[in-house]
Amino acid sequence: DQQVKQNSPSLSVQEGRISILNCDYTNSMFDYFLWYKKYPAEGPTFLISISSIKDKNEDGRFTVFLNKSAKHLSLHIVPSQPGDSAVYFCAASGFTGTASKLTFGTGTRLQVTL
Amino acid sequence: NAGVTQTPKFQVLKTGQSMTLQCAQDMNHEYMSWYRQDPGMGLRLIHYSVGAGITDQGEVPNGYNVSRSTTEDFPLRLLSAAPSQTSVYFCASSDSGRVGGQFFGPGTRLTVL
Repeated sequence: DQQVKQNSPSLSVQEGRISILNCDYTNSMFDYFLWYKKYPAEGPTFLISISSIKDKNEDGRFTVFLNKSAKHLSLHIVPSQPGDSAVYFCAASGFTGTASKLTFGTGTRLQVTL
Repeated sequence: NAGVTQTPKFQVLKTGQSMTLQCAQDMNHEYMSWYRQDPGMGLRLIHYSVGAGITDQGEVPNGYNVSRSTTEDFPLRLLSAAPSQTSVYFCASSDSGRVGGQFFGPGTRLTVL
């Protein structure tokens, strides 16, 4: 049972445009959500997070939106750059959990084209 | 700071062999975790630790053992390797807060024949 789902395995966006990556979750106990970026042959790196008490968090070109009623979050990258091409993982942790116990989605491969 | 280091980078085992994947961090983080990444399945938590001497199971713990005798080290032991354990293994660490997320090592690619 996949508690965190990323239904788009891949996404292609032109440089300068907006990239929108989506994530859905089923567990109502999740209260903290994170996005990680992963390049080939490297470990994931933390990108941005959001607590369930917020509906938006922004960091430079990256914004995460959380819709608790729909159990949906999205990552917006504006403007997209070629260096953003990577696999993006959505992750969640629960009320009794910590950052050490994350549930990950299956990832979305973003390709930013020139 | 070296961050989170993992050794070896690559390993090939035969079915039934045992081995230990090493993980170390120099950030004095309390929390450490092991994940495996398989195609189409994202990262799945194997075991985690919230401090020296304390470990617990994650989502897919069968076939793996861990111990945490120091803050810095969190080795993962494969007791009797099976082809189903062919995967990329990532170790991660974080401090007690959740804001910054976890820091991941570069991974160990394991093949079990």
